[in-house]
Amino acid sequence: AQRVTQPEKLLSVFKGAPVELKCNYSYSGSPELFWYVQYSRQRLQLLLRHISRESIKGFTADLNKGETSFHLKKPFAQEEDSAMYYCPRNAYSGAGSYQLTFGKGTKLSVIP
Amino acid sequence: EADIYQTPRYLVIGTGKKITLECSQTMGHDKMYWYQQDPGMELHLIHYSYGVNSTEKGDLSSESTVSRIRTEHFPLTLESARPSHTSQYLCASSKGQVQETQYFGPGTRLLVL
Repeated sequence: AQRVTQPEKLLSVFKGAPVELKCNYSYSGSPELFWYVQYSRQRLQLLLRHISRESIKGFTADLNKGETSFHLKKPFAQEEDSAMYYCPRNAYSGAGSYQLTFGKGTKLSVIP
Repeated sequence: EADIYQTPRYLVIGTGKKITLECSQTMGHDKMYWYQQDPGMELHLIHYSYGVNSTEKGDLSSESTVSRIRTEHFPLTLESARPSHTSQYLCASSKGQVQETQYFGPGTRLLVL
């Protein structure tokens, strides 16, 4: 079955330390993966999509087909990075449309 | 301003009551979604719509129903609320294309007593 997993439920790092939020997928083909973030008392919002290969708020994520991973990385964590992070995959749902499948997410806590 | 709205934000209601959670968007999007999320758990897609008069059930079975009479409006209804329906309900919209961003509303927290 096509699955995306985030193995860490909670990740705590000190301010200024590197951050890596793990996302692993287990299906063949070319996955379409994203990172969504939800800051405290804010809406769930898109952070990154793998097709864009962009850096947002200092975060990057590279699709590694050899390791079947799409880990989210930032070299120096900031307190404002504390949030819930989700790595959903895009799946075809018929009639030319796609839908996202979310996992449980990882809560990042940056310690001052 | 283009946005997606959900009302009410919080709802406490007794068992057996009929409730409707409202979702409206001014994004001009064709596709809309409803997700259910229990605390600390994953988001589950419960309904989605490709456009007017189109509704589909999502991955998670739900006793709720939806309608899409207008492009911008996608209400969710529970005919008879039960404590098991206590959860957070998130509405989202998108253009529905590959790699397209989904935009989420602020959510409705429902507590059924």
